[in-house]
Amino acid sequence: ETGVTQTPRHLVMGMTNKKSLKCEQHLGHNAMYWYKQSAKKPLELMFVYSLEERVENNSVPSRFSPECPNSSHLFLHLHTLQPEDSALYLCASSQSQGRESPLHFGNGTRLTVT
Amino acid sequence: LAKTTQPISMDSYEGQEVNITCSHNNIATNDYITWYQQFPSQGPRFIIQGYKTKVTNEVASLFIPADRKSSTLSLPRVSLSDTAVYYCLVGDDDRGGNTPLVFGKGTRLSVIA
Repeated sequence: ETGVTQTPRHLVMGMTNKKSLKCEQHLGHNAMYWYKQSAKKPLELMFVYSLEERVENNSVPSRFSPECPNSSHLFLHLHTLQPEDSALYLCASSQSQGRESPLHFGNGTRLTVT
Repeated sequence: LAKTTQPISMDSYEGQEVNITCSHNNIATNDYITWYQQFPSQGPRFIIQGYKTKVTNEVASLFIPADRKSSTLSLPRVSLSDTAVYYCLVGDDDRGGNTPLVFGKGTRLSVIA
């Protein structure tokens, strides 16, 4: 149990589908993040939210649309994805954005785009 | 880009102590040093964090010399279940005093029976 829960664990979708990834943190944290991890590549930071406001968007294509309705929930809405978007999508949270606040990750959603 | 340099991989036998060193020559005065562990198909897990000298918890120890330009993660008596990728993070250049978010390639530790 990591305190950060991601659903679904696995997702297969076609390029014309629309789907959403969900992340929920039970730690009372104020910052949440989306990462992408492709095979044999380092984690890539996608989005940063602090107190429900998006504070960072690292040149992510518009086919990925994040939503943070409250400090406990984070969504990643997906539409018209490409096969190269297949990856492990990880959600993380931290107490704050302070330098001494480590990240707490969920176990990810394994996404396959066909 | 990550501000750290780590060995790409290490091998160890079960029961040995493993030391993984991370170089961070440009660490800022207020940066902390944070280590994570990642198993395949799981998210990274926070292991330990320190600022200077030595920090120890139930999982590992972290040694930081006075100049703070490097740090060493020490795993005592490793077992097969310690096989994982280990990441060292310090502050990100473009995020000021915020928590480091940029992961490098890490060190892939393989523990052999």
